[in-house]
Amino acid sequence: AQSVTQLDSQVPVFEEAPVELRCNYSSSVSVYLFWYVQYPNQGLQLLLKYLSGSTLVESINGFEAEFNKSQTSFHLRKPSVHISDTAEYFCAVKGTYKYIFGTGTRLKVLA
Amino acid sequence: DTAVSQTPKYLVTQMGNDKSIKCEQNLGHDTMYWYKQDSKKFLKIMFSYNNKELIINETVPNRFSPKSPDKAHLNLHINSLELGDSAVYFCASSQARDRGPINLNTEAFFGQGTRLTVV
Repeated sequence: AQSVTQLDSQVPVFEEAPVELRCNYSSSVSVYLFWYVQYPNQGLQLLLKYLSGSTLVESINGFEAEFNKSQTSFHLRKPSVHISDTAEYFCAVKGTYKYIFGTGTRLKVLA
Repeated sequence: DTAVSQTPKYLVTQMGNDKSIKCEQNLGHDTMYWYKQDSKKFLKIMFSYNNKELIINETVPNRFSPKSPDKAHLNLHINSLELGDSAVYFCASSQARDRGPINLNTEAFFGQGTRLTVV
């Protein structure tokens, strides 16, 4: 069975500091991996995805994630965060006719 | 030009009532979903439909009845509402993987959510 584990429920970080949100997955088949962001009282927005090819994927707002098959990880990173990055971040793996989400990591950027 | 739209955005109702949430997508996707997000932000799949056919029913009480009149719509009807049904319900859609070459558009698109409060 496929599953996703997000080890950190909350990550406080100061503005302009780097951040890493951790995600580990379990899957016996080829994986499609995603990071979604949820701002307060909003739906989920796709941040980036890994389908195949280059193991480093980037988003338009400075986030990147690296697919590591040997460590079954897909950690999300940003070298310098902004106040506006404060949100809930979800890692997900695509299953058969469903998406399996981790429990989420609340990123709180402090001034 | 909202891709996935669901109504209403907020729903406050008394225990025992029956309510419906509507969802429509204009992306031409063939698969639609209902997810429940609880107070701890945990997202759990409830149902998935492919080409109007129920594919997944994730042990949801039969008070919840999804209806897909066509590929673009997936509505959720809830009978005899209980306090524990209070949550945010998200509709989503995606394109199922083709049998042929990899389909690159494999992400799910989510609606803005319906916050259901049962009092």
